Amino acid sequence: GAVVSQHPSWVICKSGTSVKIECRSLDFQATTMFWYRQFPKQSLMLMATSNEGSKATYEQGVEKDKFLINHASLTLSTLTVTSAHPEDSSFYICSAPREGRDYEQYFGPGTRLTVT
Amino acid sequence: AQRVTQPEKLLSVFKGAPVELKCNYSYSGSPELFWYVQYSRQRLQLLLRHISRESIKGFTADLNKGETSFHLKKPFAQEEDSAMYYCALSRNYGGATNKLIFGTGTLLAVQP
Repeated sequence: GAVVSQHPSWVICKSGTSVKIECRSLDFQATTMFWYRQFPKQSLMLMATSNEGSKATYEQGVEKDKFLINHASLTLSTLTVTSAHPEDSSFYICSAPREGRDYEQYFGPGTRLTVT
Repeated sequence: AQRVTQPEKLLSVFKGAPVELKCNYSYSGSPELFWYVQYSRQRLQLLLRHISRESIKGFTADLNKGETSFHLKKPFAQEEDSAMYYCALSRNYGGATNKLIFGTGTLLAVQP
């Protein structure tokens, strides 16, 4: 089946630094990927839509300059949390719809970010 | 506004009991609805979608447009059904790939 991976699975960084999270589709191509944020015991909130070869589309209230998204290839999207602060600590999850089955999204395992 | 509501954060039942996880939605167009499940320490995965009208792992869900509901049901719960269940609504994005709006999730705990 389709697999989406994320790296790293967890990361701890100091306040003020930037952190990059990768999302890869391992056995299929994804022109679109989605980035979610999940707080403890809460639902997934869509942050942005990553588009291969073009700019990402951000949801209302999500800071574009804070969460930089790059979708440089058909199998890789990256989310960079810039100048991270403790309130950015969260679980970040990506997903990708499989080609020809856009109704079904395949989710990555998530990345736990802790900003100290 | 597009919204998915799951009123129960936790549903605890005994093994063999019927299960119904509630989901209500608000959407101005024709909705496409899904149930996603997340087992302990695993990633989120699709359980079923309303269009397919399938029964997956004994679960079914019927879209009721009159009540704007998409409740998930299973007649006899099993311990391995214990997981977090998310109801999700899909809204079209560029006519192709669909964005998902998730409910807050319901934790199903099946007691032995």
